[in-house]
Amino acid sequence: ETGVTQTPRHLVMGMTNKKSLKCEQHLGHNAMYWYKQSAKKPLELMFVYSLEERVENNSVPSRFSPECPNSSHLFLHLHTLQPEDSALYLCASSPFGVAIYGYTFGSGTRLTVV
Amino acid sequence: GNSVTQMEGPVTLSEEAFLTINCTYTATGYPSLFWYVQYPGEGLQLLLKATKADDKGSNKGFEATYRKETTSFHLEKGSVQVSDSAVYFCAISPRSWGKLQFGAGTQVVVTP
Repeated sequence: ETGVTQTPRHLVMGMTNKKSLKCEQHLGHNAMYWYKQSAKKPLELMFVYSLEERVENNSVPSRFSPECPNSSHLFLHLHTLQPEDSALYLCASSPFGVAIYGYTFGSGTRLTVV
Repeated sequence: GNSVTQMEGPVTLSEEAFLTINCTYTATGYPSLFWYVQYPGEGLQLLLKATKADDKGSNKGFEATYRKETTSFHLEKGSVQVSDSAVYFCAISPRSWGKLQFGAGTQVVVTP
């Protein structure tokens, strides 16, 4: 257990479904991140939240909608996804002082879009 | 801009062999350097880190030394085990408050 918990671990959804991924940390970290990890591709940073404010959105399609209601929780709301969105979605958190502490990652949600 | 370059995988080797994974970076200033490991079906875990030049990070038999003159942070292990089979990511943090920049990852496969 890393201190960052992601649920569910696996998710299969149809292209017309709406689902949400959840990430929770109780490490007292100030920033949270969503990454997409596809086979044979580098990690893709999707969103960055710092103190509950979105500070980065890397040209992610609008079918992905993040939400950070407080510093401990991060959601990724999904709707009308495409098969190419199938991937491992990783959540991470960090304190101020990333250069000293780095990130703590969750175990990820394996998403399959059918 | 900042970037991290890792050797391409997969790297396949036998148990008890010596492992080296090369990592070089481009960054302004003096970044902190990290190695993360991702075991199958899991997220990334911090393996080791170094925050200033000539620092050596070590953990679980792995070592890496911050080489400012060659802008490198190569990962080494003297005798690998099957359980070391994983994907290894090199990362830099250019500033204390900045985000991490990851390399593409190197898959390591250790056979009995």
